[in-house]
Amino acid sequence: DAGVIQSPRHEVTEMGQEVTLRCKPISGHNSLFWYRQTMMRGLELLIYFNNNVPIDDSGMPEDRFSAKMPNASFSTLKIQPSEPRDSAVYFCASSSQILTSTDTQYFGPGTRLTVL
Amino acid sequence: DAKTTQPTSMDCAEGRAANLPCNHSTISGNEYVYWYRQIHSQGPQYIIHGLKNNETNEMASLIITEDRKSSTLILPHATLRDTAVYYCIVIMDKVIFGPGTSLSVIP
Repeated sequence: DAGVIQSPRHEVTEMGQEVTLRCKPISGHNSLFWYRQTMMRGLELLIYFNNNVPIDDSGMPEDRFSAKMPNASFSTLKIQPSEPRDSAVYFCASSSQILTSTDTQYFGPGTRLTVL
Repeated sequence: DAKTTQPTSMDCAEGRAANLPCNHSTISGNEYVYWYRQIHSQGPQYIIHGLKNNETNEMASLIITEDRKSSTLILPHATLRDTAVYYCIVIMDKVIFGPGTSLSVIP
């Protein structure tokens, strides 16, 4: 199994530009999570999906952030417009849970985003 | 969700057992204790989890006190590759990562 796949691994963009991060969960997993990690705030859960449906997006910082999961094998996290304070490492994780988030989560390698 | 308290950092000699404590005094009866670790620049990695009983797998052992208010993760023979940040998490319906314990394994 290839594990959780994220792309790109590194992204450098200028303030105001749109950024799209991509994630392919482990095949057969039906839950997907997006996290953001910074030195100041640590690892924060942004949003999670179960069976392609957003369950909890209370961690999404503001309207500039949006996430979609059009099918079981693909998800995107979009920031539009991006700001320097969005610079962070963004992780995607998946699990085979059914109803709650108590199952083991498997994390991808992350996307390091730098907004200039 | 219950909160956890962990030491900020710990050192361990290579080859010795690393014992990482975690306090979760407000844990409720159906909340699991999970441990993850994050090696520099990588995504967090699952280690082990438990509810009431002690657990062991190929990576570590988890000892949970009878009142469930604290637990200890044990790495029986620490190696340099075990240097990482270790997160103790109590989960009901959402994963919330605290600052964790930065473990340094020293040669």
